Amino acid sequence: AQSVTQLDSQVPVFEEAPVELRCNYSSSVSVYLFWYVQYPNQGLQLLLKYLSGSTLVKGINGFEAEFNKSQTSFHLRKPSVHISDTAEYFCAVRNSGYSTLTFGKGTMLLVSP
Amino acid sequence: NAGVTQTPKFRVLKTGQSMTLLCAQDMNHEYMYWYRQDPGMGLRLIHYSVGEGTTAKGEVPDGYNVSRLKKQNFLLGLESAAPSQTSVYFCASTQQGSQPQHFGDGTRLSIL
Repeated sequence: AQSVTQLDSQVPVFEEAPVELRCNYSSSVSVYLFWYVQYPNQGLQLLLKYLSGSTLVKGINGFEAEFNKSQTSFHLRKPSVHISDTAEYFCAVRNSGYSTLTFGKGTMLLVSP
Repeated sequence: NAGVTQTPKFRVLKTGQSMTLLCAQDMNHEYMYWYRQDPGMGLRLIHYSVGEGTTAKGEVPDGYNVSRLKKQNFLLGLESAAPSQTSVYFCASTQQGSQPQHFGDGTRLSIL
């Protein structure tokens, strides 16, 4: 299986500030990458995905991510966060068998007023 | 359109008891997955299925069994529950392995 490293377990930020959540991956095959968000007591929801094409991917709720093949990174960004963005964020990469994903351990984004 | 539905939402078991978690999807998806989520560990794949009648082991399969007798349902069984299986269990489905997975809301399982 591939591996995914989310470098920060927790990221505190003030409302309306920019944020970047970091994700590095290892993959020996063509790369498919995903970011999911999990709000308290809920399942995971897809934020955005990179399958091919433009390296800058835009998702829901104003989030975007940039695929960087040379640095094997897929960092998630938002220019101005809201209190409602407080949640846990997971990066995931497709495995070489093409049937499964490997998830990172997650980054908790804590937005305060 | 319900998406992915998990039953039950909460359950408390005693060590040694058995139980089955049910996952149902109404999107006609081929692929289905069972994960467990533990604090600081992210999601770890238990078992998965690439079609009706098929199952395969994931990263942490020990102590669990699964069945996919119908395309829309994926069952996760614990034959003899252990405290180490206390976790939140998520089911997911997708039409193709490369496409995003759709998740249920989870089952919180406590084993005393």
